[in-house]
Order: sequence, then C-alpha cells, then structure tokens
Amino acid sequence: DAKTTQPNSMESNEEEPVHLPCNHSTISGTDYIHWYRQLPSQGPEYVIHGLTSNVNNRMASLAIAEDRKSSTLILHRATLRDAAVYYCILRDGGNKLVFGAGTILRVKS
Amino acid sequence: SQTIHQWPATLVQPVGSPLSLECTVEGTSNPNLYWYRQAAGRGLQLLFYSVGIGQISSEVPQNLSASRPQDRQFILSSKKLLLSDSGFYLCAWSNGLAGSEQYFGPGTRLTVT
Repeated sequence: DAKTTQPNSMESNEEEPVHLPCNHSTISGTDYIHWYRQLPSQGPEYVIHGLTSNVNNRMASLAIAEDRKSSTLILHRATLRDAAVYYCILRDGGNKLVFGAGTILRVKS
Repeated sequence: SQTIHQWPATLVQPVGSPLSLECTVEGTSNPNLYWYRQAAGRGLQLLFYSVGIGQISSEVPQNLSASRPQDRQFILSSKKLLLSDSGFYLCAWSNGLAGSEQYFGPGTRLTVT
C-alpha cells in the first residue's frame, strides 16, 4: 500500500482557514486520495476524495498537486467541532483503507 | 439515504467468553462491508471485508471470525475472547466502485476483563 506522510499535529484558531498537508510521493496513477476524520469516541467520517483535479464539497476542499505527490485538505472556516484526527489515505481499486497515525487538529476559540 | 447500525454500543466480557457483534446497513444493496478494530491510542486495523453474501476475506490472523448471512448484515464473532481483543470495533460499507469512499458505523467498544 502506498504510504502517506502527515504532520503529527496542527493548531488553528476558530473561524480561520486550515490547510492540512499530506505527502504521498509513491502514489500510483490509479490511487485515489481520500480524507477521513475521527472525533473522540466516534467512528471515522468520510470528508472528501479526489483523483487528479481539485474537489470541493460542503465539508472541505481538496487541492491536489499537479504531480499528485502531495495534497492539502482545506477547511475554510474552522470551528470547535472540526477538532479531530484527520487521516489522508491512498485508496487503490482494491478493498482496503490503510489508516496511518493522521494529524491531530486542535482548534482554539 | 444510507444508514449503518452497530450493536451493542458497549460491551464488557470476561476472558474465554464468546462474542457476537452485529452490523446492518440500510438504503443500499450489495454493499462491500468491512470490520475494523482500533486498539486504545492506536490506528484502525482492517480485520475482514466482504464483497457479497458468504464471501469473507481475512486481513490478519486472529481469534476472530466474520460472517455475512444476508446482503446487508455483517457479523463479527469469537468463540473465546482474549484480553488482547479489547478495542473499538467499527463496521463500514462502500458501494464497491473503484476508489469509492467508506462510511463507518458508530462502533462497539469492547472491554475484555
């Protein structure tokens, strides 16, 4: 499984944008870039995914580098409810999601 | 819309006792189904996945087994629990398309004493 690298933790102020980076230099042409987040004592929640082009949905935006070796999850206005562990995962055509350690996002009021 | 249910929400069981955790999905047909475990302070580990009734793939050798008796029902079992089976068990589903996202249930927190 292709590997991703994320910072251990990040901090943001409430109401400000947050950019969560992810490096995936060994990504293959068929790997989708997925983002999930997990709040304490809850199951992971799907956030967004993309293949080559930038993606937007009601939760976030995903910016994918032109060479696809990195991506950034953008939360446009962080709220206290966005404090969670954010996982960047490469998903191939198979059936597995391989979760790493993720980035702990802390949001300050 | 699709909904995924898991029960029970919490469970405390003695070592050596059996286990049965159930997961059901509503609002979709022929989903791919998954069981994950998250040990305390650790990441999620895929245990089993299923692409159809009676079709189970195991990802890690362990004390657990899985079954899929119906299209939208996925069961995780053990005949004799070990202390190391404690953890947060999560069921998930996807629509089976390449690269598709997974949706997770609320989880079962199992403590083996």
